[in-house]
Amino acid sequence: NAGVTQTPKFQVLKTGQSMTLQCAQDMNHNSMYWYRQDPGMGLRLIYYSASEGTTDKGEVPNGYNVSRLNKREFSLRLESAAPSQTSVYFCASSGIQGVEQYFGPGTRLTVT
Amino acid sequence: SQQGEEDPQALSIQEGENATMNCSYKTSINNLQWYRQNSGRGLVHLILIRSNEREKHSGRLRVTLDTSKKSSSLLITASRAADTASYFCATDASYKLSFGAGTTVTVRA
Repeated sequence: NAGVTQTPKFQVLKTGQSMTLQCAQDMNHNSMYWYRQDPGMGLRLIYYSASEGTTDKGEVPNGYNVSRLNKREFSLRLESAAPSQTSVYFCASSGIQGVEQYFGPGTRLTVT
Repeated sequence: SQQGEEDPQALSIQEGENATMNCSYKTSINNLQWYRQNSGRGLVHLILIRSNEREKHSGRLRVTLDTSKKSSSLLITASRAADTASYFCATDASYKLSFGAGTTVTVRA
């Protein structure tokens, strides 16, 4: 089992460009999450999907959109990247919402 | 806003010593979880303690929870170099996790 996979691992964008971060899990989990991690601030929830077909905003959703493509895949889109979105992005999944999340390796995004 | 807050921010100990870190939170919770993050990697779940539990053990880990003080502690006994990592508490109040800023633990050989 690969667990939670994320692509790409690294990305550099110019201000205003768009991109989609991909996440997939092979553990048949219902819930999936997107977080960002900034130095000294821990993880902040951007969006989550409690189950296939549903998505909800987290703590810091502005500037992002998500798609729960199917039970396995949950993508995060930046429509018009800004330097404030420079961060490390983590995808996670859990079988039961809120309990024991499994994290992907992260995507390090730099917006210049 | 961050629900949990870890203390200390950083901790340096000798191999074989115990490491203790604390977490305080603000609102009622369903459970509290501890995660570890090695440098440049994703987080790994260590242990979960439910709001009606006071203490839990898993291998060299011991977690306590005091809901009256809204605080938890994580004790790592007999530390090893491989325990060098950042440790985060995460509180689950509404089935979404809220993470603290973490404690960075360095275990010296």
